[in-house]
Amino acid sequence: EAQVTQNPRYLITVTGKKLTVTCSQNMNHEYMSWYRQDPGLGLRQIYYSMNVEVTDKGDVPEGYKVSRKEKRNFPLILESPSPNQTSLYFCASSLSWTGTEKLFFGSGTQLSVL
Amino acid sequence: SQQGEEDPQALSIQEGENATMNCSYKTSINNLQWYRQNSGRGLVHLILIRSNEREKHSGRLRVTLDTSKKSSSLLITASRAADTASYFCATGIQGAQKLVFGQGTRLTINP
Repeated sequence: EAQVTQNPRYLITVTGKKLTVTCSQNMNHEYMSWYRQDPGLGLRQIYYSMNVEVTDKGDVPEGYKVSRKEKRNFPLILESPSPNQTSLYFCASSLSWTGTEKLFFGSGTQLSVL
Repeated sequence: SQQGEEDPQALSIQEGENATMNCSYKTSINNLQWYRQNSGRGLVHLILIRSNEREKHSGRLRVTLDTSKKSSSLLITASRAADTASYFCATGIQGAQKLVFGQGTRLTINP
């Protein structure tokens, strides 16, 4: 089944404790992206990747890191999480980025930073 | 500020009625897409309309696009309880490697 898999689904952590949210897709997609969803603010892009070893900042990259060493994986790293990073996170992918591609989303990771 | 803004923010109707949601945006677009999100879950793509199209249908969904007014509407006909969800418009902006999402319309279908 074609899908984007995120783990974990729920995560509670404390300020400053490094964490990684994994994202994997099995559709051989070139384009991958991370969004965060907050009440009243909608979805905002954190980082995106056009292909392996090609990543770039989105609208809200501060406090986050990403890497794209393999085509299928695009982990999101929070090296020193803070309470303002409490949010619902989504990984998404598409075949490529031509400006007319639809996105496939993971099920989301609900992160709480205490 | 958000590129896409949906209206209304919340809509509650009876099963079997039609539901209409609107989206306005600010800059030139390549395409406009609609997504559905069931409570806290991932978004699911519903339909894409290109900037040179005016109307598109998919099953019970009808999308219109008016680029002169920078607006789009999503019509769901003969609504069902399973249509209860949040609906987001997302715009593909020329030169940007992302979709820009609105804040969504929360649709509730009452049995």
